[in-house]
Amino acid sequence: KAGVTQTPRYLIKTRGQQVTLSCSPISGHRSVSWYQQTPGQGLQFLFEYFSETQRNKGNFPGRFSGRQFSNSRSEMNVSTLELGDSALYLCASSLGTGGSHPDTQYFGPGTRLTVL
Amino acid sequence: AQSVTQLDSHVSVSEGTPVLLRCNYSSSYSPSLFWYVQHPNKGLQLLLKYTSAATLVKGINGFEAEFKKSETSFHLTKPSAHMSDAAEYFCVVSSGGGADGLTFGKGTHLIIQP
Repeated sequence: KAGVTQTPRYLIKTRGQQVTLSCSPISGHRSVSWYQQTPGQGLQFLFEYFSETQRNKGNFPGRFSGRQFSNSRSEMNVSTLELGDSALYLCASSLGTGGSHPDTQYFGPGTRLTVL
Repeated sequence: AQSVTQLDSHVSVSEGTPVLLRCNYSSSYSPSLFWYVQHPNKGLQLLLKYTSAATLVKGINGFEAEFKKSETSFHLTKPSAHMSDAAEYFCVVSSGGGADGLTFGKGTHLIIQP
């Protein structure tokens, strides 16, 4: 079974631009989550989508948004880029069944975003 | 509220010697715990997980971890380190439910000396 794929793997943008990142989950997984990883802050949860609806959201400004399509693929958009948005953006997929035990998150390789 | 503390930011061992990466957690619930590994420029790969079954959990690549409730610890061990084990390791605690319930440790960088 193919793993989580993310495109593109690397991006260079300038301040003020916007960017869209894409994530394809493992087949059969309905939940897609996004994380930002930086050396200073570590891994931080951005948001989770399940069945095309945002189910949970982390503590990030409204410039960060996302969506999920009917085939469970997800995109993440960052508008008005700032230097501090430079990070590795990781996508993870899971079955999304939730409950008392958490679903196991399976991570993609990430998209390295550099903002100049 | 929950939290996870990885007690060492860097651990250096010689190839062929045991590995110990320490993790303490705090949780108001019966937690689920995970260890992930991240190689350079790669995503996180699941090593093992504990979800209230056996307290000694075996994972991939010879790693295992023991859940000790009395010590609120979930240390990761491997009997014999291999050069390919050099990576960043993350301990993760979850209170259940969705991805927002996951709390990641800051990571431990494992260095393997030849």
